[in-house]
Amino acid sequence: EVQLVESGGGQVKPGGSLRLSCAASGFTFSNFGINWVRQAPGKGLEWVSSINSDGTYIYYADSVKGRFTTSRDNGENSLFLQMNSLRAEDTAIYYCATSRSSYDNSFDYWGQGTQVTVSS
Amino acid sequence: DIQMTQSPSTLSAFVGDRVTITCRASQSISSWLAWYQQKPGKAPKLLIYEASSLESGVPSRFSGSGSGTEFTLTISSLQPDDCATYYCQQYNSHYPTFGQGTKLEIK
Repeated sequence: EVQLVESGGGQVKPGGSLRLSCAASGFTFSNFGINWVRQAPGKGLEWVSSINSDGTYIYYADSVKGRFTTSRDNGENSLFLQMNSLRAEDTAIYYCATSRSSYDNSFDYWGQGTQVTVSS
Repeated sequence: DIQMTQSPSTLSAFVGDRVTITCRASQSISSWLAWYQQKPGKAPKLLIYEASSLESGVPSRFSGSGSGTEFTLTISSLQPDDCATYYCQQYNSHYPTFGQGTKLEIK
């Protein structure tokens, strides 16, 4: 059974940093791209970042470019999101989600999400 | 960025009704479109990929159609369990974008 479990969320002051993790199991992690998607309170879904299967290609939304860094450790079946210079508007539930295939970037498996709150 | 516009924003229908949600892209995305269902407090669930392919395990009352810039999600016979918010997503580029969502309520 595919499982994605996010962790690392919490409350942080504006300008602070957090590192999110997504632990994957039940599939060959190194074969699939994976993504971060967030959802602000009461709002819709916003794609944040994508990383391909071997970590050579990484893409970011304009809203987080230069502040967030996505990485993965295929040996540990884990995805990471380093978030720096956090702003109030980064407050959201952060989900990791797998890409369906190397050419189909629909998101077929999702974690349960981790809450990030940026507030003074 | 490719903008995705869903309509309507909210929809109320009776059990057994046929329901259609529309999604329009600001430029052609071929068939690189997905539909998701999200219930309160839960992660989104993939329903349809590549505009019209039904994800494994999703009931056959859900169907998708369209290509280019106009797409639809249809529920052939609405069930109580279908009460949720539905999102379209384009993935024609390396920068996916979602529609703003359609909240579906049961009358």
